[in-house]
Amino acid sequence: GAVVSQHPSRVICKSGTSVKIECRSLDFQATTMFWYRQFPKKSLMLMATSNEGSKATYEQGVEKDKFLINHASLTLSTLTVTSAHPEDSSFYICSARAGQNTEAFFGQGTRLTVV
Amino acid sequence: RKEVEQDPGPFNVPEGATVAFNCTYSNSASQSFFWYRQDCRKEPKLLMSVYSSGNEDGRFTAQLNRASQYISLLIRDSKLSDSATYLCVVYGGSQGNLIFGKGTKLSVKP
Repeated sequence: GAVVSQHPSRVICKSGTSVKIECRSLDFQATTMFWYRQFPKKSLMLMATSNEGSKATYEQGVEKDKFLINHASLTLSTLTVTSAHPEDSSFYICSARAGQNTEAFFGQGTRLTVV
Repeated sequence: RKEVEQDPGPFNVPEGATVAFNCTYSNSASQSFFWYRQDCRKEPKLLMSVYSSGNEDGRFTAQLNRASQYISLLIRDSKLSDSATYLCVVYGGSQGNLIFGKGTKLSVKP
């Protein structure tokens, strides 16, 4: 299958700092990228959907000023967690899709720990 | 009604057993359907797409019933390595997103 690379895989940061997570589609152009968050033993929760060149669509309850998403090219989307707090500690996963009705491929995930 | 619903399980089965999961979806306009597998602390990985005519890949069979709005996954001759959470994914929700079910946990015991 197609390859989606997410970086970093693990990050520990201090409370109040910002963290940027990158998601790259390596062998296809991703018209749509999705960002998810998963707490331990819980299901994936969609945070936002981004289409290349346009503003991301955030799910209800997700603060767009806290979770900044940029999808500036067809192969790269970034999620920046601003002013991180311990409750933001979670597993963040991106996925990318080439077109409508096609399957999505997932990055490896980023485990964020805010101390 | 939730957009995508799955029985969370866990399903505890012996090796060699046949196990089936169902997933229901609420949006009749949904267009594409997938089963993903997620191992503990790992990202989801595509297991198989689900086609209207049904499709089979080795020990795995996926079926779609549009009239009743559900998809199913059948695993034959279960292996220990099949232990994972199986996620039902539907494309074509109200905003054209990928909608995930909460997953069904399968545990295959020796």
